[in-house]
Amino acid sequence: GENVEQHPSTLSVQEGDSAVIKCTYSDSASNYFPWYKQELGKRPQLIIDIRSNVGEKKDQRIAVTLNKTAKHFSLHITETQPEDSAVYFCAASRGFNKFYFGSGTKLNVKP
Amino acid sequence: SAVISQKPSRDICQRGTSLTIQCQVDSQVTMMFWYRQQPGQSLTLIATANQGSEATYESGFVIDKFPISRPNLTFSTLTVSNMSPEDSSIYLCSVGAGRGGDQPQHFGDGTRLSIL
Repeated sequence: GENVEQHPSTLSVQEGDSAVIKCTYSDSASNYFPWYKQELGKRPQLIIDIRSNVGEKKDQRIAVTLNKTAKHFSLHITETQPEDSAVYFCAASRGFNKFYFGSGTKLNVKP
Repeated sequence: SAVISQKPSRDICQRGTSLTIQCQVDSQVTMMFWYRQQPGQSLTLIATANQGSEATYESGFVIDKFPISRPNLTFSTLTVSNMSPEDSSIYLCSVGAGRGGDQPQHFGDGTRLSIL
């Protein structure tokens, strides 16, 4: 089955700085890569996703890049704000079927 | 996106008992999934709930321990059977939005389960 690795496990940045979280996957047939944000005690919320036919996608301060050859994808958050503090999970799947999640990154944005 | 309601939101149960968790969606969806999130951990897929047929379980999860029902396109249940403290987790239902399952998954609020 698919194996998704995520780094770093914790990330602390100063407000206004950028944050980058990286994931690698093992199944070359995976073609859909979502990112979820989970605040304490709440449900995971989809924040951005990318399909394998695209190399990069942006939505305001967040962006995701995908390198299919290397089988890795990354989440980039610019101009971080304290409300960005949460746990972020990457995932990989074939289509929108079963999701295999990374281990999560706890992001702390210091004001 | 689909509105997903999970019940109960939390429960405290005795060892050896069983609990059934309900997941209701406000629109018909093809794909429904059940995940487990142990304290401070990531999400692990338990099974895919298939409408009209048996659920498809992931490695490490079995039907006797986690029986699943999917009677229609808007509802599913997950039962956690013969519970032990190791079953203390958050259990999350997710749906693939769209009748054809061609949209990203969205999660319910989860059921926080504690076993004494």
